[in-house]
Amino acid sequence: AQKVTQAQTEISVVEKEDVTLDCVYETRDTTYYLFWYKQPPSGELVFLIRRNSFDEQNEISGRYSWNFQKSTSSFNFTITASQVVDSAVYFCALSEARAAGNKLTFGGGTRVLVKP
Amino acid sequence: GAVVSQHPSRVICKSGTSVKIECRSLDFQATTMFWYRQFPKKSLMLMATSNEGSKATYEQGVEKDKFLINHASLTLSTLTVTSAHPEDSSFYICSARFSARTNEKLFFGSGTQLSVL
Repeated sequence: AQKVTQAQTEISVVEKEDVTLDCVYETRDTTYYLFWYKQPPSGELVFLIRRNSFDEQNEISGRYSWNFQKSTSSFNFTITASQVVDSAVYFCALSEARAAGNKLTFGGGTRVLVKP
Repeated sequence: GAVVSQHPSRVICKSGTSVKIECRSLDFQATTMFWYRQFPKKSLMLMATSNEGSKATYEQGVEKDKFLINHASLTLSTLTVTSAHPEDSSFYICSARFSARTNEKLFFGSGTQLSVL
């Protein structure tokens, strides 16, 4: 069975601080996809990144960066120099089987509060 | 880019009534859509997979007679909460699968907040 664990339920930081969100996953599939989504108070899910299991390169996009460690089944997400607009709930998710467009198993989410 | 429209965004209904939520892919055909449910401050849980032209596949513990899913066209899936009760109050969100020859993606709707009085 698939499982995604986000151990941190809530993180509070002051603006400009860096914040790292942990994500650990379990799957029996050898090919799978990992995702991060942002859910602001309005509720919609904002896609941040998709990573397939064969691509272990770390990625940076602006103030966002991701560290994929297959050996530890982790896919951590760092926001550098956080801003108030980063306040949201962030979900890590795993797709089943070999499809990027398949149903997702979500982690419990981490609520990030960035204070001015 | 591809967009998924979900309607209504918010609905308040009386206990015992039925509520229909629409999920529409605006500029692509989606043979598969997914329906998720999210309780306050909780994660998203998959309810069912909606397949165009066939019966939906429900996750364990989800009552198919309670949550009716219809995917009658390649761009529209509907979720009907029948005889709604206060415990059905939740945030419902759909996603649609976009498939091209070498590319497959998921697009999410903006969600529907259901409040049952």
